[in-house]
Amino acid sequence: EVQLVESGGGLVQPGGSLRLSCAVSGFTFSSYWMHWVRQAPGKGLVWVSRINSIGTTTDYADSVKGRFTISRDNAKNTVNLQMNSLRVEDTAVYYCARVVGGSFDNWGQGTLVTVSS
Amino acid sequence: QSALTQPASVSGSPGQSITISCTGTSSDVGGYNYVSWYQQHPGKAPKLMIYDVTNRPSGVSNRFSGSKSGNTASLTISGLQAEDEADYYCSSFTSSSTFVFGTGTKVTVL
Repeated sequence: EVQLVESGGGLVQPGGSLRLSCAVSGFTFSSYWMHWVRQAPGKGLVWVSRINSIGTTTDYADSVKGRFTISRDNAKNTVNLQMNSLRVEDTAVYYCARVVGGSFDNWGQGTLVTVSS
Repeated sequence: QSALTQPASVSGSPGQSITISCTGTSSDVGGYNYVSWYQQHPGKAPKLMIYDVTNRPSGVSNRFSGSKSGNTASLTISGLQAEDEADYYCSSFTSSSTFVFGTGTKVTVL
């Protein structure tokens, strides 16, 4: 069974940092692109970032470029999102997702990040 | 990258068919067949319903179907059921090597 489990969310002050992790199981992690998608409370889904199967290619949404860094550890089956210079508008549930072709076929349950003073 | 445009809400009676549109540009929806659709119930993670414009993952009801014409993709739900009441989002790959989601549509079963 494919499983993705996010962790690391919490309350942080504006300007602070947080590191999210997503532990996966049930598939050959090193064969897939992995993505982060977020959803602000009561709002829609927003794509955040992606990383290729071997960790050599990354892409980011303009809204997080220069502040967020995606990485992965294929030995530990984890994908991470380092979030720096956090803003109030970064408050959201953050989902990690596996992508096959052009679709997000498996999602984690999400972890809530709240940026507030 | 601006969100793809979806109607805010669509409703229908049980057994009816409804269609949700998803309008983008030639740099996303119109330029690639990487259009997918997701169902999200309150408090839950999204679930893939349609991938590559028209394909259904294993386990998804054949009441769900997808299509595309130009810069607009569509999701049709036929034989509407109470369990279909949820939020629906489209998504597309873009020419910037990023992804973009739609604004979301709330489906209400009357």
